Amino acid sequence: DAEITQSPRHKITETGRQVTLACHQTWNHNNMFWYRQDLGHGLRLIHYSYGVQDTNKGEVSDGYSVSRSNTEDLPLTLESAASSQTSVYFCASSDGGQETQYFGPGTRLLVL
Amino acid sequence: AQKITQTQPGMFVQEKEAVTLDCTYDTSDQSYGLFWYKQPSSGEMIFLIYQGSYDEQNATEGRYSLNFQKARKSANLVISASQLGDSAMYFCAMRVFHAGNNRKLIWGLGTSLAVNP
Repeated sequence: DAEITQSPRHKITETGRQVTLACHQTWNHNNMFWYRQDLGHGLRLIHYSYGVQDTNKGEVSDGYSVSRSNTEDLPLTLESAASSQTSVYFCASSDGGQETQYFGPGTRLLVL
Repeated sequence: AQKITQTQPGMFVQEKEAVTLDCTYDTSDQSYGLFWYKQPSSGEMIFLIYQGSYDEQNATEGRYSLNFQKARKSANLVISASQLGDSAMYFCAMRVFHAGNNRKLIWGLGTSLAVNP
């Protein structure tokens, strides 16, 4: 069965370190998204991609970067982790048509 | 402004009864889509149901139906015959255009549903 996976599922890091969260999908979807979920803010879009070599900034992109070198993967990098980036991170993918987004299981990140 | 509003932070329902979760939206787009997702305590986001802005019939998926009232800009989720496993957070989302031809989802803050035995 097609799926979308994220790793690691839990991560503790220190302020200032670079962190990369992996997202891998086997749906063969062109569109991929990264969100963060925080209490009181719901889901907020960080970055998204409509295909290989395409990346776009979402509403909370500062301090984050992505690259898309193949269809299956969209890694999210925190260049210099800050305590404000402690959150749950979700990756999602979608295809054409109604563009339903299917989500990975999430990564809990704690920045100390 | 493009916005999703879920006015019920928390809801209770008795097992086997029906429950309606409210969602109102605001957009100037003519073409848009409305989604409902479920997030149980385990944390995953599960797609439930979709309604397109041009769909004349209300969407249904098993025990889930979407009460779409375009003139009132509402897209309420109806869960029939509630089960204990329906206890979760429910999010309404709207697909809109932005920055030209790009599309994104606008999310509500969610409604927490508790099903009582």
